[in-house]
Amino acid sequence: NAGVTQTPKFRVLKTGQSMTLLCAQDMNHEYMYWYRQDPGMGLRLIHYSVGEGTTAKGEVPDGYNVSRLKKQNFLLGLESAAPSQTSVYFCASNRAPTNEKLFFGSGTQLSVL
Amino acid sequence: GQSLEQPSEVTAVEGAIVQINCTYQTSGFYGLSWYQQHDGGAPTFLSYNALDGLEETGRFSSFLSRSDSYGYLLLQELQMKDSASYFCAVLDSNYQLIWGAGTKLIIKP
Repeated sequence: NAGVTQTPKFRVLKTGQSMTLLCAQDMNHEYMYWYRQDPGMGLRLIHYSVGEGTTAKGEVPDGYNVSRLKKQNFLLGLESAAPSQTSVYFCASNRAPTNEKLFFGSGTQLSVL
Repeated sequence: GQSLEQPSEVTAVEGAIVQINCTYQTSGFYGLSWYQQHDGGAPTFLSYNALDGLEETGRFSSFLSRSDSYGYLLLQELQMKDSASYFCAVLDSNYQLIWGAGTKLIIKP
């Protein structure tokens, strides 16, 4: 019962470095999402995917790219990290957008110096 | 713009009842969800209301009034483990979840 798995759990980057966050789900969900959470704020949607091979922009997509080459995996990339991208990142998935329950990964704490 | 308003912090006593309110203004509405998040953890689903009325799940209940754009989460028989942040979220017309900023629930013995 792995559910949604995110790697890595922690990462420190220097400004300008790149990295990729990996999200994997074993529930055969069509929909996958990447959120960021900053102190005192709710979750903000970065990008999402409605199925294998598809991606779409969310509320705060700038500075991020995503790919969904396989149904079970959703990758979030930072091409040139900035201090403003210091945040906690959560991946989530569900069967359909009208399915009320989101399943979340455990999160990635990213610090950009 | 779209917005959800909920109190930033609520304090209650162990064993008591507490209500966390949420008002929303969004482009379209499919339903109101509530999630719990402990410090350092991931959000976990608590409840979902698509229709007006009260939904009960154990010690937790959630209420929705679509005409008032208002909902609340009711926690009964509070336990120390209920200390967490609680988020309301609205599924809007684009099938995207719009999140409130969260309410930190502090429980005192």
